[in-house]
Amino acid sequence: RKEVEQDPGPFNVPEGATVAFNCTYSNSASQSFFWYRQDCRKEPKLLMSVYSSGNEDGRFTAQLNRASQYISLLIRDSKLSDSATYLCVVNQNGNKLVFGAGTILRVKS
Amino acid sequence: GAVVSQHPSRVICKSGTSVKIECRSLDFQATTMFWYRQFPKQSLMLMATSNEGSKATYEQGVEKDKFLINHASLTLSTLTVTSAHPEDSSFYICSARGSADTQYFGPGTRLTVL
Repeated sequence: RKEVEQDPGPFNVPEGATVAFNCTYSNSASQSFFWYRQDCRKEPKLLMSVYSSGNEDGRFTAQLNRASQYISLLIRDSKLSDSATYLCVVNQNGNKLVFGAGTILRVKS
Repeated sequence: GAVVSQHPSRVICKSGTSVKIECRSLDFQATTMFWYRQFPKQSLMLMATSNEGSKATYEQGVEKDKFLINHASLTLSTLTVTSAHPEDSSFYICSARGSADTQYFGPGTRLTVL
């Protein structure tokens, strides 16, 4: 079983749509959680951290369920510029980041 | 946000040569830097953790004699791919750890070994 699992997609959605990505992780001792965005042939960029209480940043909402070891990202009112690969990332033992393989989002006009 | 640079951004070399990649934290000091590798359509895989002033910690399956890491200062870590072969062709990305366990990534180095 992979340490961090994501649906690879691609998710093809029209502009303005709401789209949700899910992620599960296997190590119950994982300490912190993130969503990164990676554009084609570029480095990952931090989108947002994920907290148990849930957190929102503009059109983006992240949720964490530690009991189910499940993380989600909701994007509202999708823009063309949201097209990218979204990486679910888990920090183990305070040092090592483990990346999911990513979920591809394509927003079309 | 914090800035991390990598040099070179792209390198093409012949099989058997060695390639050095530099990773610099430009506006903060990083006692810990990380080196990742990403093959096409795959996720980033951690190769090693680079600690300033001490030996790097390599992940299982990564040859320390082939991927030499030096972290001589708080703002610079280097990765040298020795005797590169075509199977080493990949996207190599470094990151530097900032506050709150956040990692800031360099722009990556695309290595092609002919």
